[in-house]
Amino acid sequence: TQLLEQSPQFLSIQEGENLTVYCNSSSVFSSLQWYRQEPGEGPVLLVTVVTGGEVKKLKRLTFQFGDARKDSSLHITAAQPGDTGLYLCAGARGNYQLIWGAGTKLIIKP
Amino acid sequence: ETGVTQTPRHLVMGMTNKKSLKCEQHLGHNAMYWYKQSAKKPLELMFVYSLEERVENNSVPSRFSPECPNSSHLFLHLHTLQPEDSALYLCASSQDRTSGLNEQFFGPGTRLTVL
Repeated sequence: TQLLEQSPQFLSIQEGENLTVYCNSSSVFSSLQWYRQEPGEGPVLLVTVVTGGEVKKLKRLTFQFGDARKDSSLHITAAQPGDTGLYLCAGARGNYQLIWGAGTKLIIKP
Repeated sequence: ETGVTQTPRHLVMGMTNKKSLKCEQHLGHNAMYWYKQSAKKPLELMFVYSLEERVENNSVPSRFSPECPNSSHLFLHLHTLQPEDSALYLCASSQDRTSGLNEQFFGPGTRLTVL
């Protein structure tokens, strides 16, 4: 069974702090996606990383794909209450099925 | 309407009821998906349709029956459900399921409660 393990499962921090969320697997993926899901809504795609070692930035969010394309990280600088949500990673293998992590629930307190 | 829409947003049903969930995508995509989301668990893929043809049924019980009349619409017909079927049911679409990226766009989900 292919697994994507996300850590931590839950994180509650103060506004202005930095944080990193991890997504790890023993499998190689053709690409890896990060989504954010807010209560009462479906996941929204934030970014797709494709190349090993790739780094993408989205304002205060930095996404990195591991060199071997088995793992990824999401780093948030100076977290804001608007960053609160469930962060999901999903790995693609070139077919219709994405392998999903269980998510990191992030709460940013004002 | 834009993106992916789902109705109803909330549904409470008894175990003997029959109901249907509806999904519509306005993105011109070729593939549509049904997922089940339960707390603290990864998204569970239930069904995939590509160009209206079902390409995956991930060992889903027969009490869930999908229907895809065209590439923009997807239904999930429910009958004789169990309380453990209570969850958020998400519909998604993607441009091309075989592109290697398979970036998916989700609807807001239907929160289903089975009594």
